[in-house]
Amino acid sequence: LAKTTQPISMDSYEGQEVNITCSHNNIATNDYITWYQQFPSQGPRFIIQGYKTKVTNEVASLFIPADRKSSTLSLPRVSLSDTAVYYCLVGDMNTGFQKLVFGTGTRLLVSP
Amino acid sequence: GAVVSQHPSWVICKSGTSVKIECRSLDFQATTMFWYRQFPKQSLMLMATSNEGSKATYEQGVEKDKFLINHASLTLSTLTVTSAHPEDSSFYICSARLLVAVGTEDEKLFFGSGTQLSVL
Repeated sequence: LAKTTQPISMDSYEGQEVNITCSHNNIATNDYITWYQQFPSQGPRFIIQGYKTKVTNEVASLFIPADRKSSTLSLPRVSLSDTAVYYCLVGDMNTGFQKLVFGTGTRLLVSP
Repeated sequence: GAVVSQHPSWVICKSGTSVKIECRSLDFQATTMFWYRQFPKQSLMLMATSNEGSKATYEQGVEKDKFLINHASLTLSTLTVTSAHPEDSSFYICSARLLVAVGTEDEKLFFGSGTQLSVL
């Protein structure tokens, strides 16, 4: 199982860009990288998913270098409502995420 | 996006009683659902994998007789905490696998809103 390592916490201010990096040194060929956001007392919410290079959607961008041993979630112009825990997960698509393991996550605090 | 409904949102029960938590995929069929538990300020811990029409697969250290999982249909999985004790108090979360196309980036997991269980 590919283990992920993220910073425990990050602080930012409204309007800034936030980049959260996740290390997954033993990522396997079939593994995809997925990021989730979780607010207190709620289930995780899907943010973005990718395999390589760059993926962008309406809320975030995901940068994955060629060796895929790390990935960076980029949140443009964060607001107070982006205060949450962000999880980076690595899962084998071929096994349908049978062993999707959550790491410690990164607790992001956005201040005014 | 796909919706996973989890019910109830919170439940308080007496020690020794059993509690059932439901997880439904509202607009898609889910052959596989997952159950997690989460303690305050901690990450999600996978408890078991629920497969429609077959027995659930439990993670090491999770008592299958304590946490009964039933996945009788393609849209419903239930977790029953039997003879609950205060140490079972936790936040329980289910997720369902949306399979659009095998082995592509369209395969995702969607999570329920969670159930806060408090055992007195």
